[in-house]
Amino acid sequence: KNEVEQSPQNLTAQEGEFITINCSYSVGISALHWLQQHPGGGIVSLFMLSSGKKKHGRLIATINIQEKHSSLHITASHPRDSAVYICAVQASGSRLTFGEGTQLTVNP
Amino acid sequence: NAGVTQTPKFRVLKTGQSMTLLCAQDMNHEYMYWYRQDPGMGLRLIHYSVGEGTTAKGEVPDGYNVSRLKKQNFLLGLESAAPSQTSVYFCATRQDYYEQYFGPGTRLTVT
Repeated sequence: KNEVEQSPQNLTAQEGEFITINCSYSVGISALHWLQQHPGGGIVSLFMLSSGKKKHGRLIATINIQEKHSSLHITASHPRDSAVYICAVQASGSRLTFGEGTQLTVNP
Repeated sequence: NAGVTQTPKFRVLKTGQSMTLLCAQDMNHEYMYWYRQDPGMGLRLIHYSVGEGTTAKGEVPDGYNVSRLKKQNFLLGLESAAPSQTSVYFCATRQDYYEQYFGPGTRLTVT
């Protein structure tokens, strides 16, 4: 079993829909990261969080440390949100362990 | 301010050839990382560095070597390339307890 599990693996939505991507992990962590990888390949960090909730524009990330679970929500989705969303956990030190990613496609 | 750059962007090697990938950053970050990304798998850590002159093995270090002689540069070497090293390679940097910044990636094909 991978240390970091994401669901779903693939997600197709219509423009305007509310989207949720889930991440479960099996180890104690100091922080959890959400990343976005666009079709061109570049990877950008969306959030780094260790408790509670963070919001940036239409994106919201939450984490429940006790349940070892995090969610990434996208409100009012748009085709430009189409990308791979990657969850990564930081157990200790400086290393990250990554999930396999969720491929999101938002159709107009 | 270029952030994190990687050289080259694309490369095709024959089995047994050697090459060096360069990662350069202008953010004065202490931590630098080399990852590989393969279809159906998450990013996997090859080697990393916690400061100038230091290196450490990651999850998949075999077949690769690294050096960090200068704080701003982190080099990844393949001494004798194998088809199994065909992948997209990403460099990333981080400072303290903040998020990682990724380079644009290097697409390597070994034939």
